[in-house]
This record gives sequence, C-alpha cells and structure tokens, in this order.
Amino acid sequence: QKEVEQNSGPLSVPEGAIASLNCTYSDRGSQSFFWYRQYSGKSPELIMSIYSNGDKEDGRFTAQLNKASQYVSLLIRDSQPSDSATYLCALRVGYNTDKLIFGTGTRLQVFP
Amino acid sequence: DAGITQSPRYKITETGRQVTLMCHQTWSHSYMFWYRQDLGHGLRLIYYSAAADITDKGEVPDGYVVSRSKTENFPLTLESATRSQTSVYFCASSGDRRERQPQHFGDGTRLSIL
Repeated sequence: QKEVEQNSGPLSVPEGAIASLNCTYSDRGSQSFFWYRQYSGKSPELIMSIYSNGDKEDGRFTAQLNKASQYVSLLIRDSQPSDSATYLCALRVGYNTDKLIFGTGTRLQVFP
Repeated sequence: DAGITQSPRYKITETGRQVTLMCHQTWSHSYMFWYRQDLGHGLRLIYYSAAADITDKGEVPDGYVVSRSKTENFPLTLESATRSQTSVYFCASSGDRRERQPQHFGDGTRLSIL
C-alpha cells in the first residue's frame, strides 16, 4: 500500500459546484497535512494546511482531517474554471525530520 | 520578496555529462529539499538538508550529489547524467518544523538528457 493515496481523476465538476478531493494515508503517526495545487507546467503551491481533527476553512476551501480513519479531504466550494489543476495531498513523516510524502495528485477539471 | 529561485529553468544535456542545478532561497529557512516529478510517480524526494553542512538521502538519491555550504544555497549535481534522470526538478524550503511550517517550492528546472 502506498503511503499516500489519491484518486488520479480527472474529477470533472460544473462551475459553481462543490469539488471534493480525498486522500488516505497509512502512517498513523502523521501530524501535519497539506494540500498543494499545481497548474500544468508550474510548481506546487500551498493552499491549505491542517493539523487537528475536524474542519479548517479558508475562503472557498475547506480541509477536513480524520486521523482515526486516516483520511484528509479538500472541499472547493463554488468551483471556478481557474480551479482546474492537479491537487496534491502531502503529509509530514517522522518526528525529527521535515520530510513530506506526496500523493500522486488528483486532476480537477471545472467546466463552464 | 525573491523567495526561492532555481536555475536554469530549462536544460538539455547529453548522457555522461555532469550537470548542476542551482537553488537559492532568501528566507533563511533551515530546511531545503530536492524533488523530481515524473508522470505516474508524483513528487519524489531526492535529498534534503536540515541546515548548512547537514544533508541526508531521500527516496531516490542514486546518481545525485548535494552540498550545502551556505544556508541559502542547495545545489544538486548529476555526476554522470543518464536518460532516466530526464525529469522536472523542484527545490523547496521550509522553516522550523516545530512551528509546523510548510514547504514552499521554486519554479522548477526541466532537464532533458539525450
């Protein structure tokens, strides 16, 4: 089993809808979780971080973390065509390093 | 705010050549990282550094060498390039992990080895 699993997609949603992106992980000791957005040909850009169980909202984005079930999700409300990108889930591993493990990403397509 | 810069942005070279990718950050971040990104594999860690003169291997270190003589610079060298090292390379940095700071990425270097 991969350490971080994401559905590769593409996930297609209409403009204005809620896009739901999911990520599961295997390391129960992970404490820090991140969502990065990556446009085609560009570098990953941090959009959300979450460290505690529950929801964290930032504008149209909501990150959800459930450590017991080992999943983290990202909701994008009122999806826009400009949200079309690949979304990478990442988690920090270990207690004495700053290494991240990335999923392979979910490609999101928002159509008008 | 320059942040983190990589050079060159694009590089074409031949097998067997030595090539060095540069990474420079202006945040005085402790940690720096090198990743490669390939279709189907996502981002894979090559090497990382916790501070000047401290480096460690990541998931795919073979064929690569790093150094960190200054906090702000973290060059990656392919000693004898192979076609399998054709990839997009990203450098990233982060601050004190105790403050849970995330990693921020440079714009990447697209490397083609013929």
